[in-house]
Amino acid sequence: GQQLNQSPQSMFIQEGEDVSMNCTSSSIFNTWLWYKQEPGEGPVLLIALYKAGELTSNGRLTAQFGITRKDSFLNISASIPSDVGIYFCAGLYNFNKFYFGSGTKLNVKP
Amino acid sequence: NAGVTQTPKFQVLKTGQSMTLQCAQDMNHNSMYWYRQDPGMGLRLIYYSASEGTTDKGEVPNGYNVSRLNKREFSLRLESAAPSQTSVYFCASSADPWTSGGQLETQYFGPGTRLLVL
Repeated sequence: GQQLNQSPQSMFIQEGEDVSMNCTSSSIFNTWLWYKQEPGEGPVLLIALYKAGELTSNGRLTAQFGITRKDSFLNISASIPSDVGIYFCAGLYNFNKFYFGSGTKLNVKP
Repeated sequence: NAGVTQTPKFQVLKTGQSMTLQCAQDMNHNSMYWYRQDPGMGLRLIYYSASEGTTDKGEVPNGYNVSRLNKREFSLRLESAAPSQTSVYFCASSADPWTSGGQLETQYFGPGTRLLVL
């Protein structure tokens, strides 16, 4: 299967700080996705990226599709306590198979 | 509109027992998926179904079977459970991976089934 390497594994930050996490792969993906998962729930899609170089925002979240199509990053600006959760990157391969990274666990101190 | 529902929420099995995890969606979606999530790992695709009556293997299909009997329901069966199948199982659905406009249809996930195999 396709391997997605997501980093960092976990982060402990102060409320108000900016956050950056990234995802790399040895394979080219058609689409990059970023999800957030809260305890006891399924993941929720935050941002979808379709073209190499694309930069997309969703409120305080900004994500980019790498030029090589093998990487993506997610930035969260001015973090707040409700940003706590696990963030997953995912790549869409062959137009119908989703592969997920191992997740970045975000902790925000008020 | 309940979205994606899964039953049961929790299950404990003994090695060798069988069980079926149920998933249903009320959004009239064509595509449905089964994933497993293990500690410290992302979701891994077990099987997916692009439409009623069709299924295809994902990344980790061994030890599982699926059935898409109608558009609403997609079940996952463990014929002979093993401790390695202890995991949280998520079902998801989407209208189609792609809309005619080239945009990805959002996958909607159920709340998960927590399975422990002893």
